Amino acid sequence: QVQLVQSGAEVKKPGASVQLSCKASGYTFSNYYMHWVRQAPGQGLEWMGVIYPSGSGTEYAEKFQGRLTMTRDTSTSTLYMELSSLTSQDTAVYFCAREGPDAAKHFDYWGQGTLVTVSP
Amino acid sequence: QSALTQPASVSGSPGQSITISCTGTSGDVGGYNFVSWYQQHPGKVPKLIIYDVSNRPSGISNRFSGSKSGNTASLTISGLQTEDEADYYCNSYTRYSTPYVFGTGTKVTVL
Repeated sequence: QVQLVQSGAEVKKPGASVQLSCKASGYTFSNYYMHWVRQAPGQGLEWMGVIYPSGSGTEYAEKFQGRLTMTRDTSTSTLYMELSSLTSQDTAVYFCAREGPDAAKHFDYWGQGTLVTVSP
Repeated sequence: QSALTQPASVSGSPGQSITISCTGTSGDVGGYNFVSWYQQHPGKVPKLIIYDVSNRPSGISNRFSGSKSGNTASLTISGLQTEDEADYYCNSYTRYSTPYVFGTGTKVTVL
């Protein structure tokens, strides 16, 4: 069965960077687009970015341009996200999500979420 | 680019039907049939319940249905049940610089 298992909670200081991981299993990782979505406390879902199946391309939400980097390692079926220049506004639960087959443009499987807390 | 607009809350009694709207623009909801809906219970992971405007993934109850007219998509829950009490989010592919956008979210309360 498809599983996306994310790394554990992080506490960071303002100005720092955070790297999160998302290990996929149960399907051919290299065939699927992968996304990151975040949710601030008590707030809605916010799309952050997508990485292409081969890892050759990425697209980021305009607000994260310049401080979000998404990568993937097909040898370990792991997706990564690095967000830099953190502020308290980046405190949120971060989810990885798989895009449906054949570039379906919806998110059919989600990781369990990783809480990132940014605090002095 | 703003989030898609959803009502903050919708409520209904068990057995009733409710509809949640999701309003965008011709550059997102109105321009593509790539509208999806997600159900999220408190503290839980979002779950796909509708994709491509009106399709249900395997295992999703047929009490959930989706539609679209112009720049507004809708999710209807019929035969409302207590377990339907959750937050619901729409999402659309867009032609803008940010290629995906979520709705503002709707809290469904079963009275």
